[in-house]
Amino acid sequence: DTAVSQTPKYLVTQMGNDKSIKCEQNLGHDTMYWYKQDSKKFLKIMFSYNNKELIINETVPNRFSPKSPDKAHLNLHINSLELGDSAVYFCASSQDFRGTEGGYTFGSGTRLTVV
Amino acid sequence: KQEVTQIPAALSVPEGENLVLNCSFTDSAIYNLQWFRQDPGKGLTSLLLIQSSQREQTSGRLNASLDKSSGRSTLYIAASQPGDSATYLCAGLDNYGQNFVFGPGTRLSVLP
Repeated sequence: DTAVSQTPKYLVTQMGNDKSIKCEQNLGHDTMYWYKQDSKKFLKIMFSYNNKELIINETVPNRFSPKSPDKAHLNLHINSLELGDSAVYFCASSQDFRGTEGGYTFGSGTRLTVV
Repeated sequence: KQEVTQIPAALSVPEGENLVLNCSFTDSAIYNLQWFRQDPGKGLTSLLLIQSSQREQTSGRLNASLDKSSGRSTLYIAASQPGDSATYLCAGLDNYGQNFVFGPGTRLSVLP
């Protein structure tokens, strides 16, 4: 039973399209995150939600909009996709916003390719 | 702003060797630290978590330590195996932040 699951696993789309990536965790965690791993493999935080409230919003284009319908779900919607958005996007969760109990648990990633 | 470096960037060793991976933070005030493993094209698997009150954690052949005075962590892998080949990432949460900051990773190859 997957703890943090993301869909889709792969996403190939054309420039200018709008797409969404979904994430669900069944760990009962309060905090969820979106990370981006670029071509150089650096992992950088994009957003963090704690109990459905946005607590971190790094310098990310406003074409990216996270939505948390409940604390078990954090979806990422991307408008007007650009070539530079191609990357692997990881969802993660933690018991609290500091990862005090058990640290972070990551999903398997969504590889987005914009053509 | 917290920055993380990992040394070496890549490492290739014969099977059976003991090895040490290093991780260093520009701000030594680390609240907790986590080591992950990432296989090619895969997600991150948590290996060890060192919480705020701890200095060391062990799991099987893995041992991680954190020196809070210097902001440095080491991951020790004993008796390495080909199955240990992967990229190892450290991530730390500083006392002021709310998210983990990741290092660039060490790419490990264990040769049979």
